[in-house]
Amino acid sequence: KAGVTQTPRYLIKTRGQQVTLSCSPISGHRSVSWYQQTPGQGLQFLFEYFSETQRNKGNFPGRFSGRQFSNSRSEMNVSTLELGDSALYLCASSRPTGDTGELFFGEGSRLTVL
Amino acid sequence: AQSVAQPEDQVNVAEGNPLTVKCTYSVSGNPYLFWYVQYPNRGLQFLLKYITGDNLVKGSYGFEAEFNKSQTSFHLKKPSALVSDSALYFCAVRDRNDYKLSFGAGTTVTVRA
Repeated sequence: KAGVTQTPRYLIKTRGQQVTLSCSPISGHRSVSWYQQTPGQGLQFLFEYFSETQRNKGNFPGRFSGRQFSNSRSEMNVSTLELGDSALYLCASSRPTGDTGELFFGEGSRLTVL
Repeated sequence: AQSVAQPEDQVNVAEGNPLTVKCTYSVSGNPYLFWYVQYPNRGLQFLLKYITGDNLVKGSYGFEAEFNKSQTSFHLKKPSALVSDSALYFCAVRDRNDYKLSFGAGTTVTVRA
């Protein structure tokens, strides 16, 4: 069974640009969450989607947005990039029912903003 | 609000010795508790979880953790550490009525040969 797939794995952008990251969950998983990992702030929750609906959102500015498609694949977008957005962005999926919260993570997309 | 504290940034042990990584949590309701491990330039790998029932839970790679409700702790343990256990370990908590995990800051474990 394939794991969570994130693309691209690495990318470099400049300030002011925008970026879109993609996540394909494990087959059959309908919940997708996004986390930002930085050395200074650690792992911070961005948002969580289930059946194309955002169920929960972390404390990030409106420049950070996401969506989920009918096939459960998810994308997140960051507009007007700032240097502080440089981070490892992790996507995780979980089982749809009887969900006890166990997340399965992808390898991450490492974003560098210059 | 929910939060996790991992009081030690680093833990150093010799191979073959017991390994303990500490975690305390705060959550308004009944918690779901998790341990994850991260190797360099990789995502997080699930180790174990406490949902309900027996306070001692066993997970992958010989790890176990003990849930202590009175001390709001969920310490990770391994009886005999291996060099390959060297990695970054995260404790996480989730309220049963919420959908997000709150992670601790992480503890870097170094096991020396």
